[in-house]
Amino acid sequence: EAGVAQSPRYKIIEKRQSVAFWCNPISGHATLYWYQQILGQGPKLLIQFQNNGVVDDSQLPKDRFSAERLKGVDSTLKIQPAKLEDSAVYLCASSVPGPYEQYFGPGTRLTVT
Amino acid sequence: GENVEQHPSTLSVQEGDSAVIKCTYSDSASNYFPWYKQELGKRPQLIIDIRSNVGEKKDQRIAVTLNKTAKHFSLHITETQPEDSAVYFCAATFQKLVFGTGTRLLVSP
Repeated sequence: EAGVAQSPRYKIIEKRQSVAFWCNPISGHATLYWYQQILGQGPKLLIQFQNNGVVDDSQLPKDRFSAERLKGVDSTLKIQPAKLEDSAVYLCASSVPGPYEQYFGPGTRLTVT
Repeated sequence: GENVEQHPSTLSVQEGDSAVIKCTYSDSASNYFPWYKQELGKRPQLIIDIRSNVGEKKDQRIAVTLNKTAKHFSLHITETQPEDSAVYFCAATFQKLVFGTGTRLLVSP
């Protein structure tokens, strides 16, 4: 079974620029998550989708971050404009609905200079 | 909201020793407690999980215990090996998964 795919793997941008990340979950997984993992910390949930609807986005900085999951499959996360403190690894994960194992993608390492 | 505390932040053991990592959670409604292992530069991977209706679960050298009354759960690794060296994260969920701060485990040969 193919795992969660993410692209790009690495991205370097200057502050105030914009960036977008893409995620393709495991086939059949209705729930998709975006996490931010700052170096030395645990992943922090940014947004959770159930199919194409938002379940939780309470920790998403909505003034600069946006995410969508059109057609309930692939998802994109966008940052505009980026700040230095956005430097982190952005992890996408997917699961079947409910409290079950989340499968993580390889992540996108973002560096904002 | 849910808060998960994890201790210790670093743990060094000799090969063959046991390692124990402890976590506490704040939301008594939490019902699922996974443990993830993350090697340097790689994605988190589930190593074991436990649900609130179970007190203990074991998988070869790894075991997890849950004390719902005290709201804490622990990861036990026996007969540690160098390849166990990684960062381990506990997590707890009721409606969303909240991760602990991680424990860096170093197993020396």
